Amino acid sequence: KNQVEQSPQSLIILEGKNCTLQCNYTVSPFSNLRWYKQDTGRGPVSLTIMTFSENTKSNGRYTATLDADTKQSSLHITASQLSDSASYICVVYGGGFKTIFGAGTRLFVKA
Amino acid sequence: ETGVTQSPTHLIKTRGQQVTLRCSSQSGHNTVSWYQQALGQGPQFIFQYYREEENGRGNFPPRFSGLQFPNYSSELNVNALELDDSALYLCASSLGRTNTEAFFGQGTRLTVV
Repeated sequence: KNQVEQSPQSLIILEGKNCTLQCNYTVSPFSNLRWYKQDTGRGPVSLTIMTFSENTKSNGRYTATLDADTKQSSLHITASQLSDSASYICVVYGGGFKTIFGAGTRLFVKA
Repeated sequence: ETGVTQSPTHLIKTRGQQVTLRCSSQSGHNTVSWYQQALGQGPQFIFQYYREEENGRGNFPPRFSGLQFPNYSSELNVNALELDDSALYLCASSLGRTNTEAFFGQGTRLTVV
């Protein structure tokens, strides 16, 4: 069964701290994996896109990793800001129109 | 801003009614996908339209239907609304049918009472 599981479900950190979000998937075949940031009541916005051959990709304070062998990805956020408070969704694209979304990790950054 | 616009932004309907949600895709994009996102959940794929034809469908009943127009804008229609249809409905546009980057609209918040 094609699934994307994210952990933790929610996370509270202090402003300025780092955090890492996890994504495990069983989608096959695999085309690419994307991390999205979704503010409450808004549409998701793409942060990173990773293909099978890529291990690490950065976008400012966001760094995503991918281990295609173990089918795991992580999103590391450095020096968190209040504006980082949002849901972070891992999405795996398989063959054809197959698009499997994780349930997301809800991040709260406190001052 | 992604260039994908959805209307209306919020909507309240009564159980049993019908609703039409609209999406204008990003310029140059010929594919539109619709998703339903319940509170606290990830988006669930409803269907995708490519060049005015349905290209794929998720696990949703036939009362969820759609259209794509020659300008690649799209509509999502839901008949016989149920309370569980209350959700954020997201539209995403992309170029091509498969695995190209999708850009999401801000969503339509539908509440069924």
